[in-house]
Parts: sequence; structure tokens; C-alpha cells
Amino acid sequence: AQSVAQPEDQVNVAEGNPLTVKCTYSVSGNPYLFWYVQYPNRGLQFLLKYITGDNLVKGSYGFEAEFNKSQTSFHLKKPSALVSDSALYFCAVRDIAGGYNKLIFGAGTRLAVHP
Amino acid sequence: EAQVTQNPRYLITVTGKKLTVTCSQNMNHEYMSWYRQDPGLGLRQIYYSMNVEVTDKGDVPEGYKVSRKEKRNFPLILESPSPNQTSLYFCASSLRGRNSNTEAFFGQGTRLTVV
Repeated sequence: AQSVAQPEDQVNVAEGNPLTVKCTYSVSGNPYLFWYVQYPNRGLQFLLKYITGDNLVKGSYGFEAEFNKSQTSFHLKKPSALVSDSALYFCAVRDIAGGYNKLIFGAGTRLAVHP
Repeated sequence: EAQVTQNPRYLITVTGKKLTVTCSQNMNHEYMSWYRQDPGLGLRQIYYSMNVEVTDKGDVPEGYKVSRKEKRNFPLILESPSPNQTSLYFCASSLRGRNSNTEAFFGQGTRLTVV
């Protein structure tokens, strides 16, 4: 069965420092990976996805993610954190069992950026 | 503006009183789904719909019903709500249900409390 793990419940970082939110996955076949962000009292917003091609994927709000097939990881990164980046981040993998477009989500990581 | 709209945003109800959470999308998407979000569990799929009049169970369908009479609408029905259905609910849509790598669009969420 396909699954996603986000090993950290919370990540704390100072404003201006680089940030990393970790994600590992388990899939059969080629992985289709996504990152979503949830700001307080808002829905999930799409950040970026990896389907194929370059291992470094660039997305919205200055975020990027690095796909590493050997480590089965898809960590989210940003070179310089902003206080406004504080939110709940979800990694997801597309479940291809049955062929339909279902997303399997990790438990989420809360990012807190301190001034 | 492309969007998924859920109503209501907040709902407090009593055990056993039937309720409906509406979901509408304006992107002509074929695929729609409902998720519930619980702390430490991420998002789990309740039901999904591949197209009009085509619905199926997700991972946690017990206690829920859905219908898809029109392409744009996908209401979630709780015939007899119970306290364990207290959760944050999200409706999502994407272009197609099969063989699609496009991202999903999410509504703003409905926070349901059953007392």
C-alpha cells in the first residue's frame, strides 16, 4: 500500500534562515508527489508537485522540493523563511491503485517561523 | 475565479440530526472527493466521484453518504451524525479521475462539531 510519512510534528525556524520540512514515501511504481499548505482558517493550497523530470521542483511562494528516489524522500525547502510561512504543511502521494486520482496524505507538519 | 466552495464553514449540531454539507466547483472538473482531517492523521478520503452519477467509497465512508447529480455539486450527507464525526471536512476537485497528474483544488473546509 502506498503511504507518506512526515516524521516531524513541528518545525521551528528563525526568520531568514533556511527551512526544510521532511517527507518520505512508499509507493509501487513511479511516485507522483505533492506538497500542500494550510494557513489558519483556510483550505489546502497547492504548492508544487513532482511527476517526472528534474529532481528539484520549484513551486509557489519561493518553495522548492527535492525528489530523491534512492532515499524515497521529497523534502520541502525554502532558502529564507518568512514569518508568513508559518502554517501546516502536507505531503501527499497519488495512489494509483484502481487507476483513479486519490491522494494519500501525511499527518502534516506545523511550521513555526519566529521573528 | 476558479474555486471550490463549501458551506457552511462552521456547524455545531446534535447527535442524530441529519445534516448536509454542500460543495460546488466552477472548473468543470470531473473528479470530486471528500476528506476529513483529524490531528495526527492527516486527511483521509471519505467518498469520491469520478463523474456525474458515479460515486464510490474512500477509506472512511461509514456514517456518510454522497450524491453527484450535477457535475459541479457534490454534497456530503450525514444521516445520523455522531460525536466521532466531529472533524474538519474538505471537498476537493480535479480535472479527471483517471490517469491525471494535475493537482487537486480544495475548498476552505467545514468545521463540524457533533455534541
